[in-house]
Amino acid sequence: GAGVSQSPRYKVAKRGQDVALRCDPISGHVSLFWYQQALGQGPEFLTYFQNEAQLDKSGLPSDRFFAERPEGSVSTLKIQRTQQEDSAVYLCASSLKAERAFFGPGTRLTVL
Amino acid sequence: AQSVTQLGSHVSVSEGALVLLRCNYSSSVPPYLFWYVQYPNQGLQLLLKYTSAATLVKGINGFEAEFKKSETSFHLTKPSAHMSDAAEYFCAVRGYHSSASKIIFGSGTRLSIRP
Repeated sequence: GAGVSQSPRYKVAKRGQDVALRCDPISGHVSLFWYQQALGQGPEFLTYFQNEAQLDKSGLPSDRFFAERPEGSVSTLKIQRTQQEDSAVYLCASSLKAERAFFGPGTRLTVL
Repeated sequence: AQSVTQLGSHVSVSEGALVLLRCNYSSSVPPYLFWYVQYPNQGLQLLLKYTSAATLVKGINGFEAEFKKSETSFHLTKPSAHMSDAAEYFCAVRGYHSSASKIIFGSGTRLSIRP
């Protein structure tokens, strides 16, 4: 595709449920980022991949959050035992060069 | 550590007036600097970027920003505001030497345009 795509666009989960969010980066982009954006806030870094290697996961808020990119393209962000504070928009971005990252439309997660 | 500070969480200007959104960065070396715009329920769109080629950077929709190393600032301006400029604006910084470095965002400034 022409840009970064994310699915689903909207997800409603009951507290305690596991969710999986998918990111399809731009083809050929080596770098992939996940961000969490709470309502009215700026995006907060979660984790970064270079190809299939997860080089930085310092932003993951707890061990309930897990991300993978097994073949260096599609990435999945998994949240186990969701809690209400996990409600946010989850943004994915991909990049070929440091001077430009392309963001997807995000997945809006609502935990009831 | 790199960081950006956006002064003013909400700015309101009249249509046709000057837009000025402030951003100061903290970095040990001149970094990559960005301004992104986010319309309601949409993703982040790149307005412009500074990559050390020129200190005055022109972006889309008539916006521009000037990199001032002495002031560690990268303020966003537009000479004449349009109603369609109403959105959330984010200043961001990224390390210069490594494509592996993460992008750090400011807390955002909501721009409102008065008719």
